[in-house]
Amino acid sequence: EAQVTQNPRYLITVTGKKLTVTCSQNMNHEYMSWYRQDPGLGLRQIYYSMNVEVTDKGDVPEGYKVSRKEKRNFPLILESPSPNQTSLYFCASSLGHAGGAFYGYTFGSGTRLTVV
Amino acid sequence: AQRVTQPEKLLSVFKGAPVELKCNYSYSGSPELFWYVQYSRQRLQLLLRHISRESIKGFTADLNKGETSFHLKKPFAQEEDSAMYYCALQEGGATNKLIFGTGTLLAVQP
Repeated sequence: EAQVTQNPRYLITVTGKKLTVTCSQNMNHEYMSWYRQDPGLGLRQIYYSMNVEVTDKGDVPEGYKVSRKEKRNFPLILESPSPNQTSLYFCASSLGHAGGAFYGYTFGSGTRLTVV
Repeated sequence: AQRVTQPEKLLSVFKGAPVELKCNYSYSGSPELFWYVQYSRQRLQLLLRHISRESIKGFTADLNKGETSFHLKKPFAQEEDSAMYYCALQEGGATNKLIFGTGTLLAVQP
């Protein structure tokens, strides 16, 4: 089944303790992205990647890191989590463009992170 | 700056009533617009793309460049349509960045 898989689904951690949220896709997509979803703010892009070893900042990158060493994986790293990073995180991947039109993103199930 | 506006946080209708979820955008180029749906405790799913001009689950959306709108419509709401709906605009260039609106919660009452 074509899908984007995130782990863990739920995570509670303490301020300052480094954590990684994994994301993997099996669709051979070149584009991957991380979003956070907060009430009243919708989804905001954290980082995106257009291919292996190519990553760039989205709208809210502060406090986050990413890496894209392989096409299928795009982990999100919080080096020193803080309570304002408590949120619902979504990983997404996309085939990109075809025939001049963008395919849109396929989203993972989400990771609910609580930082205390 | 590119922006997507969904003016209603909540839209409550009765089963069988028509539904219109509003979406306005600001974008200087030719936009690519999408509607995503998120059912309770589930992932976001692509509902439809304006370029496809398709109808999914009875929903349609027409791009109106003059009014910079991409409203989502359904003639007869069903209870299973209750969900969060997000309008999104794809920013041009190589980034493939999707800019989301803040979402509208559709509640269909029996």
